[in-house]
Amino acid sequence: QVQLVQSGAEVKKSGASVKVSCKASGYTLSFYDINWVRQASGQGLEWMGWMNPTTGKSGSTQRFEGRLTLTRDTATGTAYMELDSLRSDDTAVYFCARGRWLTPGHYSFDVWGQGSTVTVSS
Amino acid sequence: DIQMTQSPSSLSASVGDRVTVTCRASQNISTYLNWYQQKPGKAPSLLIHAVSSLQTGVPSRFRGGGSATEFTLTISSLQPDDFATYYCQQSYLIPRTFGQGTKVEI
Repeated sequence: QVQLVQSGAEVKKSGASVKVSCKASGYTLSFYDINWVRQASGQGLEWMGWMNPTTGKSGSTQRFEGRLTLTRDTATGTAYMELDSLRSDDTAVYFCARGRWLTPGHYSFDVWGQGSTVTVSS
Repeated sequence: DIQMTQSPSSLSASVGDRVTVTCRASQNISTYLNWYQQKPGKAPSLLIHAVSSLQTGVPSRFRGGGSATEFTLTISSLQPDDFATYYCQQSYLIPRTFGQGTKVEI
């Protein structure tokens, strides 16, 4: 069964960093991109960034540049999202999602992790 | 960044109703449009990709349409399992932005 399994909930102080893991199961991590999406309570989905696990190349939306680091460990099939200088408005559920070209030229997120809750307190 | 705007933000409907959700892009995105369904406390799941291609296992009562800047998601006969929030997403450019969501309620 293809799935992405994420790490558990985290509580952090403002200014700290958080690192969330996303382990691929039922397929090889390197074969497809991993995207990161977050959702504040009662709010919509916000795309944060992506990573190609084969090359390690990554990108993120401008909002997170300088604070977001996306990495992977191909030996264990695990992707990581690290967010620095946490603020209260970073409190959210963070999802990893597999990015695939399901239709030639068309990219979508076909497998999602269960989500990891990050709470930032002052 | 491409802005995606959904309407309505929420709607109330009954089992058996036909429901349509609209998604508008701030620029031409051709057919690079996906739809996701999210139930409370759960991760989103892919419903439709490339405007109208149903993801494996998605019932045929779901239909997607449109092109360029205007897109629709139609549920032909609403079922109890369909009460959820629906998001559109453009995959034309990075960042791959989402609409704000449409909550379908009883």
